[in-house]
Amino acid sequence: GEDVEQSLFLSVREGDSSVINCTYTDSSSTYLYWYKQEPGAGLQLLTYIFSNMDMKQDQRLTVLLNKKDKHLSLRIADTQTGDSAIYFCAESPRSYNTDKLIFGTGTRLQVFP
Amino acid sequence: DAMVIQNPRYQVTQFGKPVTLSCSQTLNHNVMYWYQQKSSQAPKLLFHYYDKDFNNEADTPDNFQSRRPNTSFCFLDIRSPGLGDAAMYLCATSTGNEQFFGPGTRLTVL
Repeated sequence: GEDVEQSLFLSVREGDSSVINCTYTDSSSTYLYWYKQEPGAGLQLLTYIFSNMDMKQDQRLTVLLNKKDKHLSLRIADTQTGDSAIYFCAESPRSYNTDKLIFGTGTRLQVFP
Repeated sequence: DAMVIQNPRYQVTQFGKPVTLSCSQTLNHNVMYWYQQKSSQAPKLLFHYYDKDFNNEADTPDNFQSRRPNTSFCFLDIRSPGLGDAAMYLCATSTGNEQFFGPGTRLTVL
């Protein structure tokens, strides 16, 4: 199947860390992605990780990949109110001849003061 | 700045009245995508172009068509919009392992 699953909501206090989790099903995916979507806007690519890596850090963002469990997570350090948005993980199954993305259901992150 | 542009940002149409959404890019990417995103759902791929080669998803309704007259432009035509077609329509481009999205067009069907 092509189901990419995420928890629907996450609420954190400003300054704390946020961890958004994702499980995917296609182990052939070469890249796994995290996108951010603010209300009424398109998707902004935050970061991505190559499948032969298990961690990638980019400023406040840390991506962890557990290929054995097909589990991907995004950690946002020092979460700010501007981080409030919906976060989508996505996989790119190798079975497709172009970089088709299968998106997760999205996690709505709410940051409160 | 190089970017993906979608016009209009908001489109209202009547039930059954054809509508066209447009997307343009200054990135010179060879792949262009159209996604449909309904409220509180994940984006769903409708079709994509690899250069001029059109690739339709198996579950995309016949009501949805697309045109790509050149590298820069891609259009989404909805021949007879129904109430269920109200959604955000996202255009994206790619030349490799990253997809760049436009701001989307929100379609309302009355």
